[in-house]
Amino acid sequence: EPEVTQTPSHQVTQMGQEVILRCVPISNHLYFYWYRQILGQKVEFLVSFYNNEISEKSEIFDDQFSVERPDGSNFTLKIRSTKLEDSAMYFCASSDPPNPDRREYFGPGTRLLVL
Amino acid sequence: GESVGLHLPTLSVQEGDNSIINCAYSNSASDYFIWYKQESGKGPQFIIDIRSNMDKRQGQRVTVLLNKTVKHLSLQIAATQPGDSAVYFCAEAISSGSARQLTFGSGTQLTVLP
Repeated sequence: EPEVTQTPSHQVTQMGQEVILRCVPISNHLYFYWYRQILGQKVEFLVSFYNNEISEKSEIFDDQFSVERPDGSNFTLKIRSTKLEDSAMYFCASSDPPNPDRREYFGPGTRLLVL
Repeated sequence: GESVGLHLPTLSVQEGDNSIINCAYSNSASDYFIWYKQESGKGPQFIIDIRSNMDKRQGQRVTVLLNKTVKHLSLQIAATQPGDSAVYFCAEAISSGSARQLTFGSGTQLTVLP
């Protein structure tokens, strides 16, 4: 079965530093998402992306966050100036165009630790 | 410092028994519901989904029941196996529009005892 891949699997950074989390969605998918999960908490929606622009974003996705699809295969999440509370698992997901059987496929996640 | 997180409900079942995991969803406008399985250190893995025009859907060893009146969703796993041990999340969404935003529940830790 096709899968979403993410790199790196783990990232440790100092507070205030910029990080870029990378994702390769499933190749024929058109919708891309970032979710995060703080340790022991719910998975939370951050942003959705379609046709090279943001479709929806949550309150978490403030000006410190940005997303980009720099080429035909990668989808990135950038945090400009990391804060301690950004420490979490970040999951990328992708889905088909709208159809009755579409579903979201999640990647394995990047564990981000901000010190 | 000490991290504070949600205390996950837990369910322990004997191998071979059936498991029932429950979820209350929040938005009466949601029309799409999914159950995910999450193993330690991995991303959510799709198990089964159901749309609001149905009240029951069956998959391989799994059944999802939807009660829209009380906004309740359940996942039944038949003949639970050790590999079923994981955290199970329900998620809800409104399907209108193109990009679908999933709202996850807080999860249930399922432990299968030998």
